Amino acid sequence: KQEVTQIPAALSVPEGENLVLNCSFTDSAIYNLQWFRQDPGKGLTSLLLIQSSQREQTSGRLNASLDKSSGRSTLYIAASQPGDSATYLCAVPARDDYKLSFGAGTTVTVRA
Amino acid sequence: GAGVSQTPSNKVTEKGKYVELRCDPISGHTALYWYRQSLGQGLEFLIYFQGNSAPDKSGLPSDRFSAERTGGSVSTLTIQRTQQEDSAVYLCASSLIALGSGANVLTFGAGSRLTVL
Repeated sequence: KQEVTQIPAALSVPEGENLVLNCSFTDSAIYNLQWFRQDPGKGLTSLLLIQSSQREQTSGRLNASLDKSSGRSTLYIAASQPGDSATYLCAVPARDDYKLSFGAGTTVTVRA
Repeated sequence: GAGVSQTPSNKVTEKGKYVELRCDPISGHTALYWYRQSLGQGLEFLIYFQGNSAPDKSGLPSDRFSAERTGGSVSTLTIQRTQQEDSAVYLCASSLIALGSGANVLTFGAGSRLTVL
């Protein structure tokens, strides 16, 4: 069974600082990895999807890297803003490829 | 529709009652998923529908839970004889094709928050 762990569970930084969020998974036989954002009381919004053949994916201030062999992914958010405050979750498909296993998330607070 | 719609957004019920949660996926999305998010927990897979194939119900926690998807579109998750441990946010998501077969992403609804007193 795929186990996904996210560290740290919570993070508080001043505005402008770069954020580094970590995700690790136990089964490296994955097709892809997704990062999501969840605002309080809302559903999940997909941020980035990295295919297993890719090493990283970028969207604006967000950059996600993937190291399949070590079972790790890192989400970098540059020059954080208060609007980045949310919970960030990573997810990977199970071996039967459609059930996503989610980490518990990292709750980020960016202080103005 | 423009996004995945879930109703009701909030439901408070008493222990032992019947609850029905509805999900209206993005038009044309063939895959539909239900997940559950309990307080402080990660998302737990419940059930998956793909086109006309038999659904994968392996994540349903007990036989009190069931789900249907009519006409390949709207889905209903039902819980009978609700228990306090059923309290959670129930999230629905849809995608064009099953993840793993390509780069397709899941689009989630805002969720239905269920509170069982």
